[in-house]
Amino acid sequence: DVELVESGGGLVQPGGSLRLSCVVSGFTFSSYWMSWVRQAPGKGLEYVATIKVDGSEKYYVDSVKGRFTISRDNAKNSLYLQLNSLRVEDTALYYCATAVRGSRFDYWGQGALVTVSS
Amino acid sequence: DVVMTQSPLSLPVTLGQPASISCRSSQSLVHSDGNTYLSWFQQRPGQSPRRLIYKVSNWDSGVPDRFSGSGSGTDFTLKISRVEAEDVGVYYCMQATHWPWTFGQGTRVEI
Repeated sequence: DVELVESGGGLVQPGGSLRLSCVVSGFTFSSYWMSWVRQAPGKGLEYVATIKVDGSEKYYVDSVKGRFTISRDNAKNSLYLQLNSLRVEDTALYYCATAVRGSRFDYWGQGALVTVSS
Repeated sequence: DVVMTQSPLSLPVTLGQPASISCRSSQSLVHSDGNTYLSWFQQRPGQSPRRLIYKVSNWDSGVPDRFSGSGSGTDFTLKISRVEAEDVGVYYCMQATHWPWTFGQGTRVEI
C-alpha cells in the first residue's frame, strides 16, 4: 500500500525554523514530482512548493520564497521542507503529496502541524 | 498568480438529488502542450484531501462515476449526479497549468 508519513511539525516562535520530512513507501518515489500543500486552521488549501523528480526544478508560492526550501533524497524515499524565518501566518497543517497533474496518480499524507506563536 | 473562483461557497444538497459546483479561472488553463490541467479535490471532515478529477474530466482511481467534470478554457464544473451522505465535505478546484499551482476557495457541501 502507498503511504506518505510526515514528521517534524511543532510549536516554534516567530523567526524560528523547522524541518519537515515525508517518508514515502509503496511506489517508486524517484519517478514522481512531489509537493508540500498547507492548510491554515479552518481555511482552504495552498500549494507551498513543488519539486521535480531529480530536484532540478523547484517552484514556490510567492509568500514563502526565500524562506522555505523544498528538497528530496530519492535514495531515502524522502521529501523535505525547510522552513526558516517563520511567521504567525505560516501556522498550518502541512501535507506531503504527489504532484502528478496529467495522469491517474494522487496520494497525500496525513499532515504535520506547524504552529508559529510567541 | 491564477485566481480560481468557485461558486457557490456553500451548497446545501438533498440526498439522491444532483449537485453542481462552478469554478472560473482568471486566465485560460490551456497549457502549451495542449492539455488543460484543471483538477477537483474532495476533503471530507477530518481527512486529507483526495483528488477526484484531473485534466477537466478524467476520474482518479476509485472515484464513483456519479462525479463528473466538464468545461474548457476558464470555466469548469463539477457535477454529482445523485448526492450520497459520504459526499459531505469541501470541494476544491485546482489549476496546474501555470506556476504556482492554485486552488479555489472551496465549496462546502452539506446535507
